[in-house]
Amino acid sequence: AQSVTQPDIHITVSEGASLELRCNYSYGATPYLFWYVQSPGQGLQLLLKYFSGDTLVQGIKGFEAEFKRSQSSFNLRKPSVHWSDAAEYFCAVGASGGSYIPTFGRGTSLIVHP
Amino acid sequence: KAGVTQTPRYLIKTRGQQVTLSCSPISGHRSVSWYQQTPGQGLQFLFEYFSETQRNKGNFPGRFSGRQFSNSRSEMNVSTLELGDSALYLCASSNLTGELFFGEGSRLTVL
Repeated sequence: AQSVTQPDIHITVSEGASLELRCNYSYGATPYLFWYVQSPGQGLQLLLKYFSGDTLVQGIKGFEAEFKRSQSSFNLRKPSVHWSDAAEYFCAVGASGGSYIPTFGRGTSLIVHP
Repeated sequence: KAGVTQTPRYLIKTRGQQVTLSCSPISGHRSVSWYQQTPGQGLQFLFEYFSETQRNKGNFPGRFSGRQFSNSRSEMNVSTLELGDSALYLCASSNLTGELFFGEGSRLTVL
């Protein structure tokens, strides 16, 4: 069965600083990988996804993520954080082929200081 | 293109009652999934419907049920509500690319 670990429950950064959110997954084959963001009181919005090909994936709002098969990781990065990026971030892994119901990590709460 | 619409957005029930939540997917999406989100357990998968058939089911008791109609709209029902059922219930639709499109959720409080 697939699983996702987001080791950091909370991350605090200053506005303008760089950001890296960690995600490690467990899956026997090539996974589908996703990062979603959830603002307070809202549903989840897809930031970016990896299915195959280039391991560096660009997403919306200036985010990017890199798939590293050797480390089973899919870390999310942003070079300069804005106060509006404060939210909950979820990494998810889905099975490639067949039923693709993704498994979500527990989430990382991002706090941005002015 | 309209997004995923969930109703009601907020509701309060008492223990023992039942509740029905509704989800209208993005036009053309035939897959609808439901998730329960709580601070303690995170996002937990309830079930997925595709073309009116339940295709996948999570590890929840039989009090949680759902259905999908021919127009892809879906409902989920929770019977005999317990305090622990208080949560944000999220619906997501998909066009089977693997990407989920979420609604804003229905916030259920059980007193």
